[in-house]
Amino acid sequence: ILNVEQSPQSLHVQEGDSTNFTCSFPSSNFYALHWYRWETAKSPEALFVMTLNGDEKKKGRISATLNTKEGYSYLYIKGSQPEDSATYLCASNAGGTSYGKLTFGQGTILTVHP
Amino acid sequence: DTAVSQTPKYLVTQMGNDKSIKCEQNLGHDTMYWYKQDSKKFLKIMFSYNNKELIINETVPNRFSPKSPDKAHLNLHINSLELGDSAVYFCASSLGPRSYEQYFGPGTRLTVT
Repeated sequence: ILNVEQSPQSLHVQEGDSTNFTCSFPSSNFYALHWYRWETAKSPEALFVMTLNGDEKKKGRISATLNTKEGYSYLYIKGSQPEDSATYLCASNAGGTSYGKLTFGQGTILTVHP
Repeated sequence: DTAVSQTPKYLVTQMGNDKSIKCEQNLGHDTMYWYKQDSKKFLKIMFSYNNKELIINETVPNRFSPKSPDKAHLNLHINSLELGDSAVYFCASSLGPRSYEQYFGPGTRLTVT
């Protein structure tokens, strides 16, 4: 995998449903994997940064896992609420001279219907 | 007390003009970045400065020139604007070049007519 890929591109769920998205990233020379939450007309907001294989992070109803060997991360939202509606961006960066160079996926647009 | 701010928020201009977008961060960070959101909605890095020095310079037309007067500011100047420059440009900052977390500004929507 040369680029960061996210799936699905968009998702519609009902309030109360649990959902998850996938991010695939290059596993060679891996440094960190980032998840951002991006609401329309606002700045992307950092949710998690993960660096180690097997990392799991949690913030309220949102959690994420990381598999650096196979190059994927999952983001889970438990009991989705309408305020969770946003675009969820995944980004990875490599080491060496590319530390700060985040490569973003296209995002997953989540819509939670009341 | 916005952490990363950009001005202007919207910019409409004609082809051939020269324009600048300003970015300021009040987080005390050493590293700042410019990203462009392309037509397919991907955020792609353009430049990064660490303590006023250029450290990342992607393949960007040389009509784009970043300028960092101090480590709290990173401005983007664009000469001879073209239709294809229309996009949303995001500024970001981080504690240092190896820091994990980047903090983003609200974006500047540039429309070239």
